[in-house]
Amino acid sequence: AQSVTQPDIHITVSEGASLELRCNYSYGATPYLFWYVQSPGQGLQLLLKYFSGDTLVQGIKGFEAEFKRSQSSFNLRKPSVHWSDAAEYFCAVSPLGGATNKLIFGTGTLLAVQP
Amino acid sequence: DSGVTQTPKHLITATGQRVTLRCSPRSGDLSVYWYQQSLDQGLQFLIQYYNGEERAKGNILERFSAQQFPDLHSELNLSSLELGDSALYFCASSVEAGGNTDTQYFGPGTRLTVL
Repeated sequence: AQSVTQPDIHITVSEGASLELRCNYSYGATPYLFWYVQSPGQGLQLLLKYFSGDTLVQGIKGFEAEFKRSQSSFNLRKPSVHWSDAAEYFCAVSPLGGATNKLIFGTGTLLAVQP
Repeated sequence: DSGVTQTPKHLITATGQRVTLRCSPRSGDLSVYWYQQSLDQGLQFLIQYYNGEERAKGNILERFSAQQFPDLHSELNLSSLELGDSALYFCASSVEAGGNTDTQYFGPGTRLTVL
């Protein structure tokens, strides 16, 4: 069965420090891959997505993610975290070439930013 | 603002009752998805409609049903409500149904509290 694992439930970083959020997926073939962010009381906003091509994907708000097929991973990174980045981050997959674009989400990583 | 609207924003009701959640997709989007976010189950795909027809079904209870109307807005009906149905219900929309590089845009959600 398709699944997404985000091993870190909660991460705290200092403002200005670098950030890496981990995501591993289990799927028969490389699916479409996404990172969404949910700020408190808000809906989900797409940060970036990977469908094919360059394995390093740039997104909004200075985020990037790297797809590594050999590790079935799609980790999210940011070189310097801002206090406004405090939120919950979700990795998601969608079946490749399927009849539906439904998303399967990981359990999320809650990011806290220390001043 | 994603362009997806959901009403109401908050809903408080009692066990055994029935409620209807409404979603209006972005202009031009034909596909509507419903997701449930709860503390114990995380973010789960419930159901997808495309141009008025059911396209995919996820972990949706038999007490729940949905439909998409000719003007493309969608409603999620939840009946015989239980305490465990308390959750944040998201609607998302996209242009296509599947098999391509489409992106889903999420509404702000409806927070349902069952007392």
